Amino acid sequence: SQQGEEDPQALSIQEGENATMNCSYKTSINNLQWYRQNSGRGLVHLILIRSNEREKHSGRLRVTLDTSKKSSSLLITASRAADTASYFCATDAQETSGSRLTFGEGTQLTVNP
Amino acid sequence: SQTIHQWPATLVQPVGSPLSLECTVEGTSNPNLYWYRQAAGRGLQLLFYSVGIGQISSEVPQNLSASRPQDRQFILSSKKLLLSDSGFYLCAWSVMAGFKETQYFGPGTRLLVL
Repeated sequence: SQQGEEDPQALSIQEGENATMNCSYKTSINNLQWYRQNSGRGLVHLILIRSNEREKHSGRLRVTLDTSKKSSSLLITASRAADTASYFCATDAQETSGSRLTFGEGTQLTVNP
Repeated sequence: SQTIHQWPATLVQPVGSPLSLECTVEGTSNPNLYWYRQAAGRGLQLLFYSVGIGQISSEVPQNLSASRPQDRQFILSSKKLLLSDSGFYLCAWSVMAGFKETQYFGPGTRLLVL
């Protein structure tokens, strides 16, 4: 079952604007990851934030994590048309058999040129 | 309903030995198929994806290869394993739902190369 819930489900913005996507989860995690998927392609790992981290940057990406609220946000600054894709959050919860990733439903981002 | 199988669940292999991991999907036809690797505490790394029989795209240069001999069968192989090939290998299939592509993952194979 999906633990992460992304919000919004769909987001349409103009090139140059910032895009913010949110993710909520329910159980304790080791880390939270964001992935991007272009239609017909596989998931591409964007960024991982550990449970003891609050904020992380990678290029135009900024991820925050609030473990008290069990939520995370992904900010894409100065968006480009090429950023159009689906974005998924995934939580990594340690289990006896090893880590287990659980994905949310995703946010479809459309960046209009 | 659709199901995805992977085997074996766990594998311990010596360096230099060959590898063959199999993934099969039931209950759907012409799915997109994917192989991912997850190192401990890290994210998924896309290795290969396939949109049809005999069509394989590789995302990263590596010691591994993939084949799709049948519509619902995806095989990950290596002629000679390296220590760095150790990890958790996940197979996935996908279906379009509206404008989104939803991926469904198999149970995974934990590979340890010694």
